Amino acid sequence: QSVLTQPPSASGTPGQRVSISCSGSNSNIGSNTVNWYQHLPGAAPKLLIYGTNQRPSGVPDRFSGSRSGTSASLAISGLQSEDETDYYCATWDDSLNGYVFGTGTKVTVL
Amino acid sequence: EVQLLESGGGLVQPGGSLRISCAASGFTFPYSAMSWVRQAPGRGLEWVSGISGRDRTTYYADSVKGRFTVSRDNSKNTLYLQMNSLRAEDTAVYYCAKVSGDLPWMWYFDFWGQGTLVTVSS
Repeated sequence: QSVLTQPPSASGTPGQRVSISCSGSNSNIGSNTVNWYQHLPGAAPKLLIYGTNQRPSGVPDRFSGSRSGTSASLAISGLQSEDETDYYCATWDDSLNGYVFGTGTKVTVL
Repeated sequence: EVQLLESGGGLVQPGGSLRISCAASGFTFPYSAMSWVRQAPGRGLEWVSGISGRDRTTYYADSVKGRFTVSRDNSKNTLYLQMNSLRAEDTAVYYCAKVSGDLPWMWYFDFWGQGTLVTVSS
């Protein structure tokens, strides 16, 4: 069981804003930067957000990240059909001395 | 263009061993930390192991500590994962990832390979 908890699913209609939460603790999100990955099963995962709120080159500004205390969030604005896939938060955990992924959230575009 | 190509996956019996590889190109491999991440069937992503670039410090998830060994050959731009005492629960697609970030608590994985399937079954 992961130390980072995400809701199993989230959904919205095209154009809507969807937010995904990631709950951790002082030893991970509370201490270190958070990253978000998009993963279509069967394909290579893709980096969406790094350093809590930074977007790599090529990632649309519809995607944004934030953190408050021991929780982080990924927001997708202007939801599009191609956003329908799995999303994972991740960070370093000081107690485990290792990298940890969240439980994952499947986004559905209605 | 960064490219990561995993190889060496296959079917292995419980208790057996397997070594998978990741051939890297398109970036300065010796200076980059690298990592292995896996996804078991029907499960989420799980970090397995990481290795720093220059001093080759290694890190492992508790689930594989003592059984798996990560290493790198900087002269061949290749990352390895030696997996011993394999269990059914190690069955997964194993991804190689290039790490950015100077220190482990700043790590993020900016490029990924397509993965190689390891199946542990009798």
